[in-house]
Amino acid sequence: ETGVTQSPTHLIKTRGQQVTLRCSSQSGHNTVSWYQQALGQGPQFIFQYYREEENGRGNFPPRFSGLQFPNYSSELNVNALELDDSALYLCASSRGGETQYFGPGTRLLVL
Amino acid sequence: AQSVSQHNHHVILSEAASLELGCNYSYGGTVNLFWYVQYPGQHLQLLLKYFSGDPLVKGIKGFEAEFIKSKFSFNLRKPSVQWSDTAEYFCAVALLAGANNLFFGTGTRLTVIP
Repeated sequence: ETGVTQSPTHLIKTRGQQVTLRCSSQSGHNTVSWYQQALGQGPQFIFQYYREEENGRGNFPPRFSGLQFPNYSSELNVNALELDDSALYLCASSRGGETQYFGPGTRLLVL
Repeated sequence: AQSVSQHNHHVILSEAASLELGCNYSYGGTVNLFWYVQYPGQHLQLLLKYFSGDPLVKGIKGFEAEFIKSKFSFNLRKPSVQWSDTAEYFCAVALLAGANNLFFGTGTRLTVIP
């Protein structure tokens, strides 16, 4: 157990819908990173939040957006869902640039 | 572009066999290196990490990895595997410049036969 929690655990949406995923970081951690893990692949970096601001972004379109709150928890929002967005979404927290610890993930299925 | 290669996609071993999983990365700057493990039905867990110092690092459950800078490699080893080591293993690299996000390999599935 890392102390990183994510909700919901599973989610089913249809194409075109919007989804919000949530992450609570481990106590003492001020940085949250989001990753997408497609079936059979390694996690791909979406973006990172540090002190409530985006601190880096991977190769994902603008319809992937996020927020970080003063308590360092975070949300990942995806608009206009596509079938290819079906994946496991992982949140990882860290203290700045130190080791990242992962949550259990949210499995999203887009029909 | 940065990339992490894990050449073994699926490895099948009998219990007590020795394990070596390869990991190579393409980045010329300073990096931090990690191995994460994902047991069936569980979340990604840190197995071991290298930031600096002794290039031979030891992790949990008897795993170790060796950083060879000249080969851009960070191979994972265990002298004697157990059935409970059955899992997916991911090598990851963090660049010290930028957001310190992780670049992952595609993973190696290890199946240990009792």
